Amino acid sequence: KQEVTQIPAALSVPEGENLVLNCSFTDSAIYNLQWFRQDPGKGLTSLLLIQSSQREQTSGRLNASLDKSSGRSTLYIAASQPGDSATYLCAVGFYGNKLVFGAGTILRVKS
Amino acid sequence: DGGITQSPKYLFRKEGQNVTLSCEQNLNHDAMYWYRQDPGQGLRLIYYSQIVNDFQKGDIAEGYSVSREKKESFPLTVTSAQKNPTAFYLCASSPRTGGVEQYFGPGTRLTVT
Repeated sequence: KQEVTQIPAALSVPEGENLVLNCSFTDSAIYNLQWFRQDPGKGLTSLLLIQSSQREQTSGRLNASLDKSSGRSTLYIAASQPGDSATYLCAVGFYGNKLVFGAGTILRVKS
Repeated sequence: DGGITQSPKYLFRKEGQNVTLSCEQNLNHDAMYWYRQDPGQGLRLIYYSQIVNDFQKGDIAEGYSVSREKKESFPLTVTSAQKNPTAFYLCASSPRTGGVEQYFGPGTRLTVT
């Protein structure tokens, strides 16, 4: 059974700091990996989608990497801002577009 | 405006009552999904549908039922058989199955007392 773990569970950083969120998964037979952002009481916003054949994806200040063989992905956020404060969720995709989610990392960026 | 709508945003029910959560999308997506989120946990898949008039159970389907009579609509019924129905319910859709991005609605928070 696929398990997805996100470390750390919570993170508090000063504004301007570069930071890394980690995601690990137990079954490397994935189709893709998706990073989401969730604000309190809201739905999920897709940030980046990495196909299994790709090593990384970038969007603005965000960069996500994927290492299938080691079962790891990282989300790098450059020059963090208070508006980046949210919960970040990692999800691995399987056949049939089924997603298995991690529990998330709660990020707080202090001004 | 294209997107996924869920209604209502908050729903309160007494124990023993069935309740139906609405999910509508105007993205012309084939596949739709229902997830449940509990505090401190990741989302868990309840049901999913790849095409109209067809749906499959996810990891936690017991106590839930769905229908997919129209491409744009995928309502979820939480029945009285669901032992712990209080949760945040999220609906999602994707253009097709297999390796594509899922798009999420704003969610419905269900409280059963």
